[in-house]
Amino acid sequence: GQQVQQSPSSLVLQEGENAELQCNFSSTATQLQWFYQSPGGSLVSLLSNPSGTKHTGRLTSTTVTKERRSSLHISSSQTTDSGTYLCAIDHYGNEKITFGAGTKLTIKP
Amino acid sequence: DAGVTQTPRHEVAEKGQTIILKCEPVSGHNDLFWYRQTKIQGLELLSYFRSKSLMEDGGAFKDRFKAEMLNSSFSTLKIQPTEPKDSAVYLCASSFTGRDTQYFGPGTRLLVL
Repeated sequence: GQQVQQSPSSLVLQEGENAELQCNFSSTATQLQWFYQSPGGSLVSLLSNPSGTKHTGRLTSTTVTKERRSSLHISSSQTTDSGTYLCAIDHYGNEKITFGAGTKLTIKP
Repeated sequence: DAGVTQTPRHEVAEKGQTIILKCEPVSGHNDLFWYRQTKIQGLELLSYFRSKSLMEDGGAFKDRFKAEMLNSSFSTLKIQPTEPKDSAVYLCASSFTGRDTQYFGPGTRLLVL
């Protein structure tokens, strides 16, 4: 089945630093989403990016489909960015969506 | 616009009970998903509806888990009978189509004693 690997599993940064999160997947993805989950909170979709580069606010996602990888870059991190970032993919013809284990991001003031 | 709503937000059940979780998707969305989230397993897909038709019945989950979508604006997830290992957060999500961004509800935190 599909596998999604996220790295690092946890990341601690000082406020203002940039964060780089990685997502690698085992099969070609036709849809890839990055989600944010606050401590104890529900999931929020950040970006849908099956290929190429997308920006929203301080977030940039770059997906290289052929290499089966995606990254999420958070610039000028803030303490409110702390939480878990999840990558999820699905594959055309297979309705199942597979999530990675997530990267726990901690931004210190 | 109202997002995905889920009730109850918290549920405590005794082993062997029947519990029903509820979800209202975003108005106009055609696809609805039920997920379970635990620290050990992470997020797992339980059920997937497309235009009220069940597309994914959860495989290993289907013996005690039953999701239904009675109309386009309401879905339930029944767990019968509950077991302590069912303790988790149950998330409902909807999207316009399965290929679009999914919007998640706040989840129901279930504790089975």
